[in-house]
Amino acid sequence: ELKVEQNPLFLSMQEGKNYTIYCNYSTTSDRLYWYRQDPGKSLESLFVLLSNGAVKQEGRLMASLDTKARLSTLHITAAVHDLSATYFCAVWGNQFYFGTGTSLTVIP
Amino acid sequence: NAGVTQTPKFQVLKTGQSMTLQCAQDMNHEYMSWYRQDPGMGLRLIHYSVGAGITDQGEVPNGYNVSRSTTEDFPLRLLSAAPSQTSVYFCASLTTGAEQFFGPGTRLTVL
Repeated sequence: ELKVEQNPLFLSMQEGKNYTIYCNYSTTSDRLYWYRQDPGKSLESLFVLLSNGAVKQEGRLMASLDTKARLSTLHITAAVHDLSATYFCAVWGNQFYFGTGTSLTVIP
Repeated sequence: NAGVTQTPKFQVLKTGQSMTLQCAQDMNHEYMSWYRQDPGMGLRLIHYSVGAGITDQGEVPNGYNVSRSTTEDFPLRLLSAAPSQTSVYFCASLTTGAEQFFGPGTRLTVL
């Protein structure tokens, strides 16, 4: 069974700062997803990474995938309060396997 | 397109009752799935389907049944509800471009 680990689980950061969330997975996969979830809401798709070395950016968020290291990162640049949410990574291995999520709080 | 829809939004059951959570999508996606989300555990896959007439078990299938008679609908049945099934349930469908869309969720409480 594929295991997905995210860290940190909780992240409190000041506005304007940069930080990175890490997603490690246990077996080979070339499909990695990042989602955002606001409290009481459903999951919103942020990025789909489909190959080794893939990098995608949307606003202050940038995601990358290293399939050889079995690692994906979600980098936050100059955080703003609106980015406060829980972020999940998920890996495809004939079905989806989710990490436990990173709860991000951006403090003014 | 309405996307992925789920009903009901909220449900309270007594232990031993049965019910069906409804999920529908109007995007003609072949792959659909059901997840449960519990605090601190992320999402766990219950059942999935790769097309009409084809279903398979995910990580936590016990206590749940599914069927897929049409491409659009993928209902999840709780056979005999237990307090351990108190959770938020999400249905999702997958595009041919490998993007997964989630429904709004059903919040279930079993007393």
